[in-house]
Amino acid sequence: DIQMTQSPSVLSASVGDRVTLNCKASQNINKYLNWYQQKLGEAPKLLIYNTNNLQTGIPSRFSGSGSGTDFTLTISSLQPEDFATYFCFQHNSWPLTFGSGTKLEIK
Amino acid sequence: QVTLKESGPGILQPSQTLSLTCTFSGFSLSTYGMGVGWIRQPSGKGLEWLANIWWDDDKYYNPSLKNRLTISKDTSNNQAFLKITNVDTADTATYYCARIATKFGVRNWFAYWGQGTLVTVSS
Repeated sequence: DIQMTQSPSVLSASVGDRVTLNCKASQNINKYLNWYQQKLGEAPKLLIYNTNNLQTGIPSRFSGSGSGTDFTLTISSLQPEDFATYFCFQHNSWPLTFGSGTKLEIK
Repeated sequence: QVTLKESGPGILQPSQTLSLTCTFSGFSLSTYGMGVGWIRQPSGKGLEWLANIWWDDDKYYNPSLKNRLTISKDTSNNQAFLKITNVDTADTATYYCARIATKFGVRNWFAYWGQGTLVTVSS
C-alpha cells in the first residue's frame, strides 16, 4: 500500500498568512493526488484534483503543486473559513489511501 | 444537482453484518465513467477508503478488510450498497459515500459526498 504522510500534523496561523501544507507519498504516484478540506461535523470537500487543478467553485487562493512523491497545498492568504483539517489522497494505485491530515488552527 | 445520502442501522452488535445504503440523485450509475465509493472515518481520526463500484459493475475493495466487504448497486433506483460482515468495535465510524466521475478522460474522484451516517458497534 502507498503511505501518505502529511506534515505538519498541526499548523497554527493567522488570518492573512500564506501557508503551505505538505504531503509525501511512499512511492511515485505521478500526478494523482487530491486535496480535501474537512470542517468539524461535515463531509470532506474536494479542493484540488490531480495535483494542481482547482475544483469548480473553490477560491483561487488555494493552489496545489508537486509530482512523483512530494506535493504541497498552498493557501495564499488565509481566511477565517479556511481553518479546518486538510487531507491528501492518492488515486494512482489500489488501494486508494488518504493522508492522516493537517489541522490548520488559528494562532 | 448532485446529491448523495447514506443510511444505515445506527447501532449494531459485534459479529453482525452492517448494511449501508447510498441513495443519490443528479447522476446515473449506468452512465459511462461513473462510480460510487465508500469511505469511513472513526471519530476524530482520518479517512479510510473501503470500496468502489463502477457503471460497468466493476468493483474494487480495500484488502485491509480482507473478504468482509461487498459492494453492489441498483441502477434503476439510484442506489449503491455496502455490506461489512462480522463487525467489531473497530468498525465504529461515520460512513460516507461519494461520487466518481469521468469527463474527457479525466477521473474526478470524490467531488461529491453524502453527509455521512454514524455507525456504532457495541454489545
